[in-house]
Amino acid sequence: DSGVTQTPKHLITATGQRVTLRCSPRSGDLSVYWYQQSLDQGLQFLIQYYNGEERAKGNILERFSAQQFPDLHSELNLSSLELGDSALYFCASSVAAGSPLHFGNGTRLTVT
Amino acid sequence: QKEVEQDPGPLSVPEGAIVSLNCTYSNSAFQYFMWYRQYSRKGPELLMYTYSSGNKEDGRFTAQVDKSSKYISLFIRDSQPSDSATYLCAMSAKSGGSNYKLTFGKGTLLTVNP
Repeated sequence: DSGVTQTPKHLITATGQRVTLRCSPRSGDLSVYWYQQSLDQGLQFLIQYYNGEERAKGNILERFSAQQFPDLHSELNLSSLELGDSALYFCASSVAAGSPLHFGNGTRLTVT
Repeated sequence: QKEVEQDPGPLSVPEGAIVSLNCTYSNSAFQYFMWYRQYSRKGPELLMYTYSSGNKEDGRFTAQVDKSSKYISLFIRDSQPSDSATYLCAMSAKSGGSNYKLTFGKGTLLTVNP
């Protein structure tokens, strides 16, 4: 068990809808990262937060947004969903810059 | 050229074999090197973490880094069916200020047959 908790495990929704994915980092970790994993693209970095502030952005669509709250949990909001957004979404946390990431077990999003 | 190249496999070996998994990279700024194991429908799990050239051993696993050749390897001795998973290499470099950018390979699917 990595100590990173993600909810829900599965999400099925329709095109055009909006969903929220939730992540609780490991105790003591200040950084939270969001990744998208699809079969053909591998792990794609979306966004990183450190102690409530956005630290780095990757290939995150404008329809997607995230935030990290004072208790360090994070939420990833996906809106105007398209079929191509179906993927596994992983949250990871680390204790400091350059430290290895520890991943949760992901949220499997299916857009129909 | 991609920053990190990893042969996707699939790789199939008999139980007890020595497995060699490899990644090459082009960015000489990479400082930290990792190997993750990912079982189906699970998150990647950190296996090995190193920051220098040379070998690092942990049980049946050995990570090897050759910075001069920009090449990293993971060796698995006495492979077991429970080692069947996708193995991802990852490496990080400073990306401004105190932040680091982590880049993953696409993963190699390994099957160990009993």
